[in-house]
Amino acid sequence: ETGVTQTPRHLVMGMTNKKSLKCEQHLGHNAMYWYKQSAKKPLELMFVYNFKEQTENNSVPSRFSPECPNSSHLFLHLHTLQPEDSALYLCASSHSGTSDGEQFFGPGTRLTVL
Amino acid sequence: QKEVEQNSGPLSVPEGAIASLNCTYSDRGSQSFFWYRQYSGKSPELIMFIYSNGDKEDGRFTAQLNKASQYVSLLIRDSQPSDSATYLCAVKNSNYQLIWGAGTKLIIKP
Repeated sequence: ETGVTQTPRHLVMGMTNKKSLKCEQHLGHNAMYWYKQSAKKPLELMFVYNFKEQTENNSVPSRFSPECPNSSHLFLHLHTLQPEDSALYLCASSHSGTSDGEQFFGPGTRLTVL
Repeated sequence: QKEVEQNSGPLSVPEGAIASLNCTYSDRGSQSFFWYRQYSGKSPELIMFIYSNGDKEDGRFTAQLNKASQYVSLLIRDSQPSDSATYLCAVKNSNYQLIWGAGTKLIIKP
């Protein structure tokens, strides 16, 4: 498999559920990102990992918990979400978190919180 | 003031015409500028980047950067229906953060 993959592609969950989103990159990159994309809003950067170390956490509520066990895998653990958290969650990777390299995106997980 | 601003559109352009997409940014120290294309239901993909003032051409696409006026634009020549998408402007600011615009929806009419 090539590029950046994300699972699941679609997720519907209740506010009391716990679920996890998974991202895997096969590009040999060192940086991985979680973004939230809501309709008609700019991409919101949530978390950045550079060489497995979290380098950015943009005031994301604690109900979102990232995990980066290695440079190829990134998880987003979800717990007691709110309906306003419904959005497209995109994972991306790049050569380095501060380089000018392009970011490669996965297909996203469409999350609906009931 | 938003850090990166784009007209949300939709911008409707006849097939074969030039589509012009604009983006302004607030951080004068920004150094790198990117245009991504996002088809409906898909994820963004990079189509061009530009670092220096002036024009950069790649096939039917031309990126234009004017740092003094703090804007970057994307021109698409000979527009095709397959160019219909949302175009996202992204700017790497002086803190090396990639800041995104909300995107401009482009519709190419056959």
